[in-house]
Amino acid sequence: GAGVSQSPSNKVTEKGKDVELRCDPISGHTALYWYRQRLGQGLEFLIYFQGNSAPDKSGLPSDRFSAERTGESVSTLTIQRTQQEDSAVYLCASSFLYEQYFGPGTRLTVT
Amino acid sequence: KNEVEQSPQNLTAQEGEFITINCSYSVGISALHWLQQHPGGGIVSLFMLSSGKKKHGRLIATINIQEKHSSLHITASHPRDSAVYICAVGDAGGTSYGKLTFGQGTILTVHP
Repeated sequence: GAGVSQSPSNKVTEKGKDVELRCDPISGHTALYWYRQRLGQGLEFLIYFQGNSAPDKSGLPSDRFSAERTGESVSTLTIQRTQQEDSAVYLCASSFLYEQYFGPGTRLTVT
Repeated sequence: KNEVEQSPQNLTAQEGEFITINCSYSVGISALHWLQQHPGGGIVSLFMLSSGKKKHGRLIATINIQEKHSSLHITASHPRDSAVYICAVGDAGGTSYGKLTFGQGTILTVHP
């Protein structure tokens, strides 16, 4: 595809359920990033994959959050036992060098 | 951890006005990014710079590394420029250069 894609675009889940969010980066981009934007707040870094290096997980807010990436392709962000404070737009971006290309985001609502 | 401050938080302008948004950060960086986020829309990268000045159409971005400060200028502003403008800085050194710390954003509204 031409850009970064994310699915689903919207997800409503009940508190306590697990959710999986998917990101398809631009082909050939070695780096992939997950960010979170809660309502009325700025963007927060969550996790960063760069090639075959160990991911930088320093932004994950709790051990309920995890992410995986298969090679240099798809990534999945998993949130276990969702809480209401997890409600946010989750954005994925990819890059080859420094410039990052953002996906449209997944809006997660925890009820 | 880098602290990124943007000013102003909100900016209202009349069409045609010259606009400046400022960004300051606290520690050295690999690069500084200016991003644009439209209401309900995605995020678009406007500029990435590590020194000097870049220009794209009516947009100009400058950075002063010594002062840890950047500005985004919009000349001849237009209502379609209405958006949130976000400054973000990349960690310096190592393999973490892609990790960005974001400012809170500046909400720009341009009236016709």
